[in-house]
Amino acid sequence: EAGVAQSPRYKIIEKRQSVAFWCNPISGHATLYWYQQILGQGPKLLIQFQNNGVVDDSQLPKDRFSAERLKGVDSTLKIQPAKLEDSAVYLCASSLRFTAGANTGELFFGEGSRLTVL
Amino acid sequence: AQSVTQLDSHVSVSEGTPVLLRCNYSSSYSPSLFWYVQHPNKGLQLLLKYTSAATLVKGINGFEAEFKKSETSFHLTKPSAHMSDAAEYFCVVGESGGSYIPTFGRGTSLIVHP
Repeated sequence: EAGVAQSPRYKIIEKRQSVAFWCNPISGHATLYWYQQILGQGPKLLIQFQNNGVVDDSQLPKDRFSAERLKGVDSTLKIQPAKLEDSAVYLCASSLRFTAGANTGELFFGEGSRLTVL
Repeated sequence: AQSVTQLDSHVSVSEGTPVLLRCNYSSSYSPSLFWYVQHPNKGLQLLLKYTSAATLVKGINGFEAEFKKSETSFHLTKPSAHMSDAAEYFCVVGESGGSYIPTFGRGTSLIVHP
């Protein structure tokens, strides 16, 4: 079974430029997550999708970040314009749709996209 | 609301000695609890999970964790550390009520000395 795919693995941009990250979850996984992991910190949830609907985006800086999952499969996270503090690893994860007692809610992660903003 | 606290940012042990990484959680509902490991420049890998079955959970690479509801804890242990265990460890909580939104702790860096 193929895992979660992310691209690009590394990206270096100047501040105020734009960048996009792509994620393809495990086949059949209804839930998709984007996390931001700043060096030395734990991952912070940016946005959670259930199929193509947004479950939670309360920590997404909506003035510069956007994400979509149009067909309920793969997803794109965009930053425009980038700031220095956006330098981080952007992690995509997927899971089966969580139903209490039916599954564990385990997340499966991609290897991440490392962004450096200069 | 849910939250998770990893009590130590760094833990240093000698190879062959026991490992204890501490995690406390807060949850309004029955929680699912996980430990993930992250080696340098690698993705996050699941070590073990608790989902309201047995309170003592066994994971990969000899790791275990015990769910203690009275103490709201889910500490990770291993009897004997190996050099390859050096990594960042994350405790994660997810609530079964309402929207399921997994929340990460800040992480504990495990350092293993020869």
